[in-house]
Amino acid sequence: GAGVSQTPSNKVTEKGKYVELRCDPISGHTALYWYRQSLGQGPEFLIYFQGTGAADDSGLPNDRFFAVRPEGSVSTLKIQRTERGDSAVYLCASSLEPSGANVLTFGAGSRLTVL
Amino acid sequence: DAKTTQPPSMDCAEGRAANLPCNHSTISGNEYVYWYRQIHSQGPQYIIHGLKNNETNEMASLIITEDRKSSTLILPHATLRDTAVYYCIVRAASGGGKLIFGQGTELSVKP
Repeated sequence: GAGVSQTPSNKVTEKGKYVELRCDPISGHTALYWYRQSLGQGPEFLIYFQGTGAADDSGLPNDRFFAVRPEGSVSTLKIQRTERGDSAVYLCASSLEPSGANVLTFGAGSRLTVL
Repeated sequence: DAKTTQPPSMDCAEGRAANLPCNHSTISGNEYVYWYRQIHSQGPQYIIHGLKNNETNEMASLIITEDRKSSTLILPHATLRDTAVYYCIVRAASGGGKLIFGQGTELSVKP
């Protein structure tokens, strides 16, 4: 597609539930990044993929968070046993390659609210 | 990745140039300077980036000092639509190229 697409745009869930957030990157982009942004803060890096593999997951806050990219295109961020502190906007970005010379293009984000 | 320092907020009059400073005194030779902005409730939008030389595109100009320890983003004729948070980021050329965001500068363009 023309840009990075994220679904759903808004998700409201209850504490303890399981949530999946989807990211559809720009066609042909091999690198895909997930970020989390809390109110009033800059985006916080979570994980990035080069192709199908997670190359750097150092930003995942704990083992309730997991992400996959099985075919090297679409990625899903999975959050188990959600907590109120997980409420944030989850941003996805993609780039042609994971190099500092390649621009990251961001999606509009998925706003998660945990009640 | 090198850390950046930006003023938390700035004002600019509509139609005037907006000059946003950024300090990155610990930048290394293979690190790029990137600028993104984020308009309320939207994802970050790429503006411009550079390594050593000054750069210009349809959105802005990037001026990097000769020692590369600081830079300035210039929006030549600011409009109300340029009101946003502007992030200056130093990004490694290799190792995944992830962007590490700071707090940014909240630019308010006033009529």
